[in-house]
Amino acid sequence: ETGVTQSPTHLIKTRGQQVTLRCSSQSGHNTVSWYQQALGQGPQFIFQYYREEENGRGNFPPRFSGLQFPNYSSELNVNALELDDSALYLCASSLGLATTGELFFGEGSRLTVL
Amino acid sequence: RKEVEQDPGPFNVPEGATVAFNCTYSNSASQSFFWYRQDCRKEPKLLMSVYSSGNEDGRFTAQLNRASQYISLLIRDSKLSDSATYLCVVKYNNNDMRFGAGTRLTVKP
Repeated sequence: ETGVTQSPTHLIKTRGQQVTLRCSSQSGHNTVSWYQQALGQGPQFIFQYYREEENGRGNFPPRFSGLQFPNYSSELNVNALELDDSALYLCASSLGLATTGELFFGEGSRLTVL
Repeated sequence: RKEVEQDPGPFNVPEGATVAFNCTYSNSASQSFFWYRQDCRKEPKLLMSVYSSGNEDGRFTAQLNRASQYISLLIRDSKLSDSATYLCVVKYNNNDMRFGAGTRLTVKP
């Protein structure tokens, strides 16, 4: 196991609602990245948090927002949910800025938007 | 055009076969390159980094051609346990890592 835990594992929401997903990083890791993985696709980078600050963002609208806490755990918030937001949301932690390329992923939160 | 493109697959091969996956990337600013493996309904895990000089890890060989913006992964003597989706990943200077859609491999007895 990677030591990265995510919650909830599954959830169902309706269009227009808001959702908060949570991630606890591996012990000692200060960087958390969030990815969206649609069925049959690779993970798509949403954003990264390093020492509580956003440190890079992919091509996602502002209704995707996040936080990192002093203990390096993180939240992903999505407002005004759309049907296309249905996906597996993966959190990955790393030490520093993943210069070695190794991200440690959690098992993900599977979101269904009806 | 997608930033990272991979063979669509799926690849179905017998045990013991050699199989090669290809990947191209569109952004020449890409800094580092990796192959990840994702088992069905599991999270991705780093398989190996890809270096310009080419590198090998047991039955796995990775190659990078920066001029052609092309990455490959060769698996020799395939095992049943190699069945998975293989994700090509490029990393930019701002530390965001872009994943390809993945190539699914099934190794059959």
